[in-house]
Amino acid sequence: GQSLEQPSEVTAVEGAIVQINCTYQTSGFYGLSWYQQHDGGAPTFLSYNALDGLEETGRFSSFLSRSDSYGYLLLQELQMKDSASYFCAVNLYGNNRLAFGKGNQVVVIP
Amino acid sequence: DVKVTQSSRYLVKRTGEKVFLECVQDMDHENMFWYRQDPGLGLRLIYFSYDVKMKEKGDIPEGYSVSREKKERFSLILESASTNQTSMYLCASRGTSEPTYEQYFGPGTRLTVT
Repeated sequence: GQSLEQPSEVTAVEGAIVQINCTYQTSGFYGLSWYQQHDGGAPTFLSYNALDGLEETGRFSSFLSRSDSYGYLLLQELQMKDSASYFCAVNLYGNNRLAFGKGNQVVVIP
Repeated sequence: DVKVTQSSRYLVKRTGEKVFLECVQDMDHENMFWYRQDPGLGLRLIYFSYDVKMKEKGDIPEGYSVSREKKERFSLILESASTNQTSMYLCASRGTSEPTYEQYFGPGTRLTVT
């Protein structure tokens, strides 16, 4: 089986940097994905790490360390529109289905 | 742009009713998924399908069934709705050509069973 742990909520001011951690336990996976979900909206894909290291996409970066069973999403230069829930998910071996963490809510304040 | 649509945004049903939730995608994706989302529990996979007429159980299939008669359509069926099935239901699809890791979600159906 697999499990993914994420802390539940963080509040930060505009312009700040927030790091959302994800630790996982799984027997094998292709990579680690991150999704963003605004209140009342559908989850949307943010980033994917197939290999260890840092992937940068604009203000967002994602990191994976397979040896530590750990990843994180870094949100830089926070904007009000970044207020949302963020989910990590592992792409599992075999059928490539996603197993999601419980999510982390980020609240950005002025 | 990939589009995943779900038949209803909000649905209210009575205990014991048979409920159909429909999902349609327009990108010729092979893989389709049904999740439920509850506060504090994240997204949990109910069923998924790799191809027409193929289905596999996810993590919480009890009380649900699915149907995939056409590639673009994946239906979730609650044979006899119960109050503990009150939830947000999300459909998703994913292709098999590169990149294969991105899933596209529909807007969700908020189902209330009274």
